[in-house]
Amino acid sequence: AQTVTQSQPEMSVQEAETVTLSCTYDTSESNYYLFWYKQPPSRQMILVIRQEAYKQQNATENRFSVNFQKAAKSFSLKISDSQLGDTAMYFCAFSRDYKLSFGAGTTVTVRA
Amino acid sequence: DAGVIQSPRHEVTEMGQEVTLRCKPISGHNSLFWYRQTMMRGLELLIYFNNNVPIDDSGMPEDRFSAKMPNASFSTLKIQPSEPRDSAVYFCASSSARGYEQYFGPGTRLTVT
Repeated sequence: AQTVTQSQPEMSVQEAETVTLSCTYDTSESNYYLFWYKQPPSRQMILVIRQEAYKQQNATENRFSVNFQKAAKSFSLKISDSQLGDTAMYFCAFSRDYKLSFGAGTTVTVRA
Repeated sequence: DAGVIQSPRHEVTEMGQEVTLRCKPISGHNSLFWYRQTMMRGLELLIYFNNNVPIDDSGMPEDRFSAKMPNASFSTLKIQPSEPRDSAVYFCASSSARGYEQYFGPGTRLTVT
């Protein structure tokens, strides 16, 4: 079973600033997918960004970008120009086949 | 296109009662997943269907839980009889292919008293 570790239970950031969330995973596979999901207080799970392991280029979605380090098995998420609506729990997830393995989550609070 | 639809959004029931949760996946998606989220255990995969066939039900807690997918556009998760420890948020998710991103429904918050 794949293990996904998010070592930061909580993070706080000032509005318009940048915050980086860390995620590491453990796998012996070479082909897999990595995701970041956002869960705001509404509890809806929202896909933020997706990375395919065979792609060296880091994925970017507007203000969200990742730093994918395959050899280090690291997949961090950077939120630029933080907005109040970014306040949520963020989950890192690994997928090799059909199963999503989730980390424990990082609660991000954006301060006005 | 509509996202994953779940009903009800909230369910409060008494111990021993039957509970049925419903899910309509995104049209065209052939994979469907049921998850349970609790503070203690986080997100757990309960069961995975591919092309309406249950592929992996190893996460189903016990015989009190059952899931069906009679067609490509509908699935149910049933708990009978319900117990207080079943209280959680239950999510349905769908995907267009193995390994691809899963899209989640809004979840059903179940409270068993």
